[in-house]
Amino acid sequence: DGGITQSPKYLFRKEGQNVTLSCEQNLNHDAMYWYRQDPGQGLRLIYYSQIVNDFQKGDIAEGYSVSREKKESFPLTVTSAQKNPTAFYLCASSPQGTGVAGELFFGEGSRLTVL
Amino acid sequence: QKEVEQNSGPLSVPEGAIASLNCTYSDRGSQSFFWYRQYSGKSPELIMSIYSNGDKEDGRFTAQLNKASQYVSLLIRDSQPSDSATYLCAFRGPGGYNKLIFGAGTRLAVHP
Repeated sequence: DGGITQSPKYLFRKEGQNVTLSCEQNLNHDAMYWYRQDPGQGLRLIYYSQIVNDFQKGDIAEGYSVSREKKESFPLTVTSAQKNPTAFYLCASSPQGTGVAGELFFGEGSRLTVL
Repeated sequence: QKEVEQNSGPLSVPEGAIASLNCTYSDRGSQSFFWYRQYSGKSPELIMSIYSNGDKEDGRFTAQLNKASQYVSLLIRDSQPSDSATYLCAFRGPGGYNKLIFGAGTRLAVHP
């Protein structure tokens, strides 16, 4: 079945450690996104990518990094520079990155807790 | 002013009633609006999209858009306990890219 797979679902990290969240899609979508959700808040955009080998910062990119070497994959690294990394991280994709807006399709999310 | 405003709720309605969820947005130029449903601990799922002024119906759901008032709403008819979730309003942000800006969501509780 087509979809977006995020891993791991739950992750615990010690302060000062980098951690990488995986996101893979087999929907053949061009665009991919990373959002962060905190309790009682809306989703906030971290990074997005319209095509392979290209990505842009979203509203809260500080302390995060991404890569887009393959169309199917858009991993997110949460670095030690991110001051408040405990959150629910959501990866999404859409058929195209520009033009007529399409819907976003979300993965199941990764819940990161910093101990 | 927040880009997307939603009442956080909870909005409590009895089973079978109409639930009305509201959202206002700040970007007058936006053309695309979405309602997502999010169950606790799960990821959002799209339930409605609307691009033109007026109403759009899909089963028990009706989305209403008024661009002049920068207002979008979602009506859920014959509410069921399974509709209990947080409903996120979103609109396409500026810049020509397909980025969505989300509200914090309204929690809906449908009680038997």
